[in-house]
Amino acid sequence: DTGVSQNPRHKITKRGQNVTFRCDPISEHNRLYWYRQTLGQGPEFLTYFQNEAQLEKSRLLSDRFSAERPKGSFSTLEIQRTEQGDSAMYLCASSLGSPNQPQHFGDGTRLSIL
Amino acid sequence: AQSVTQLDSQVPVFEEAPVELRCNYSSSVSVYLFWYVQYPNQGLQLLLKYLSGSTLVKGINGFEAEFNKSQTSFHLRKPSVHISDTAEYFCAVSGSTDKLIFGTGTRLQVFP
Repeated sequence: DTGVSQNPRHKITKRGQNVTFRCDPISEHNRLYWYRQTLGQGPEFLTYFQNEAQLEKSRLLSDRFSAERPKGSFSTLEIQRTEQGDSAMYLCASSLGSPNQPQHFGDGTRLSIL
Repeated sequence: AQSVTQLDSQVPVFEEAPVELRCNYSSSVSVYLFWYVQYPNQGLQLLLKYLSGSTLVKGINGFEAEFNKSQTSFHLRKPSVHISDTAEYFCAVSGSTDKLIFGTGTRLQVFP
């Protein structure tokens, strides 16, 4: 079990730029989740995949956000035209795929918008 | 809709003292309950989970939690804390959908 891996760990960019984060889940996990965590808050759900299918998206996921999981393995989260309010920790998690299976989290990507 | 309330934003405690971190939830359906711990600049690590059965759940690092359906609570306890337990603790719920709903967290600060 190599755990959930996220890259990069930190990303600093100027407002208006596009950024992309990558998540590699635990290999046998078919579900993959993205959460966003702002300072002093708990993680908030953004979206999740069952294999390559995106099954649910939060209203927090504006049209500037897009997530993909093209082959049912790794996933990418892209933010276009970044804004100051996008500064947060972006967490990825994976699980075996039912609500009672615990989600295993990566260490996150911290995004800072200048 | 589901929600989680962690009433205490910070809990200071001396080393070797007992601690209880409170969590209350709201849901119209049966739920699964979780406690996660987060150390600085890291992701979340699962401490324990309640799915069904015995209402007293034991987790890692000496933590335990008790599910109380009538009070809609899932409080986390440890009989004797260590300096290394200093971290942020999150209670979470999932139900008919797969997403986790988290509380705002409780910062446990253990003093020597």
